[in-house]
Amino acid sequence: NAGVTQTPKFRVLKTGQSMTLLCAQDMNHEYMYWYRQDPGMGLRLIHYSVGEGTTAKGEVPDGYNVSRLKKQNFLLGLESAAPSQTSVYFCASTPTSAILEEQYFGPGTRLTVT
Amino acid sequence: EDQVTQSPEALRLQEGESSSLNCSYTVSGLRGLFWYRQDPGKGPEFLFTLYSAGEEKEKERLKATLTKKESFLHITAPKPEDSATYLCAVQAVSNTGKLIFGQGTTLQVKP
Repeated sequence: NAGVTQTPKFRVLKTGQSMTLLCAQDMNHEYMYWYRQDPGMGLRLIHYSVGEGTTAKGEVPDGYNVSRLKKQNFLLGLESAAPSQTSVYFCASTPTSAILEEQYFGPGTRLTVT
Repeated sequence: EDQVTQSPEALRLQEGESSSLNCSYTVSGLRGLFWYRQDPGKGPEFLFTLYSAGEEKEKERLKATLTKKESFLHITAPKPEDSATYLCAVQAVSNTGKLIFGQGTTLQVKP
């Protein structure tokens, strides 16, 4: 199993450009998450999904959109990138929250917006 | 508001010098507390889950403990390969499926 994979690993955008980050998991997990990590601020939840076709807002959702059309994929979109969105983005998944489960993280995407 | 605070922000130890990392939390009802390890340029890797006050878990040189207000990650006789950022996170009863992370403690162990 590959676990959780993220595409791309690095990206540089200009202000106003758009892009989509792809997260894929092959563990048949129900729950998927998008976080951003900034120096000194830990991981902050952007959006999450409790199953195929569902999404919900996290702590810092503004400027981002998500979609979960297939159970194994969770897409994070930036419609008009801003320098404040320069960060490292992590995707995570977990089987279900019905029982307490660890979250499995991807390797991250480093995004720079100039 | 649910909140997690870790201290210190950074810790430098000599190889073999034991110490503890602190995770203080405020949550309406604790469902579970997680410890993760994160190496530079990588995603967090799961270490422990603690569910109730008084619980302890061990893995090699690491031992995690939990009280009603905080958790400690004790590192006994650390080695350079223990150098990493250690993240604490809580899951509240009212927010199942969502984790609230602290800002992390960056540990450097010198040989």
